[in-house]
Amino acid sequence: TQLLEQSPQFLSIQEGENLTVYCNSSSVFSSLQWYRQEPGEGPVLLVTVVTGGEVKKLKRLTFQFGDARKDSSLHITAAQPGDTGLYLCAGAGNAGGTSYGKLTFGQGTILTVHP
Amino acid sequence: DTGVSQNPRHKITKRGQNVTFRCDPISEHNRLYWYRQTLGQGPEFLTYFQNEAQLEKSRLLSDRFSAERPKGSFSTLEIQRTEQGDSAMYLCASSLWSATNEKLFFGSGTQLSVL
Repeated sequence: TQLLEQSPQFLSIQEGENLTVYCNSSSVFSSLQWYRQEPGEGPVLLVTVVTGGEVKKLKRLTFQFGDARKDSSLHITAAQPGDTGLYLCAGAGNAGGTSYGKLTFGQGTILTVHP
Repeated sequence: DTGVSQNPRHKITKRGQNVTFRCDPISEHNRLYWYRQTLGQGPEFLTYFQNEAQLEKSRLLSDRFSAERPKGSFSTLEIQRTEQGDSAMYLCASSLWSATNEKLFFGSGTQLSVL
């Protein structure tokens, strides 16, 4: 069974601070996705990383995939109240062209950014 | 295109009753997924369809759960003889699958409460 552990589970910071969320596993994934979810809504995809060591940037968000494709991190620079939400990492295990949509999710990190 | 639509948004039922949820995917998407999310956890994969064929079911899916996608468009998820442990958010997602990439679009979910 593939498991993804996210840390920290809760993060409460002030506007303008930087933060990093970690996603770790003992299993190798063909790709790793990061989602953001707001209360009462479904997750929304932020980014997909595929290659070991890959770094992707989305405005103030930086995503990194570990060299061994077992771990990932999300770094937010100068957090804003609008960044508040649940951040989820999810790994896709099938690299043989079957399903990248069958995902293993971490338990999530609840981020609160105070003005 | 209005995205993935799920109905109802909320369902309250008594233990032992049957419930059915509906998911309308994005129109051109050929794959449809069901996930379940409990409070404080990430979503867990339940099952998925390619067109009308159900390709995989999770071991989490007991015999009381059945899903259909009769014409390869909308899908229904039925839970028979509901139990309190079935209380969760049931999420549907759809995608346009290719051999190299698959991006999931989630609906807003159906929140089930079993009393």
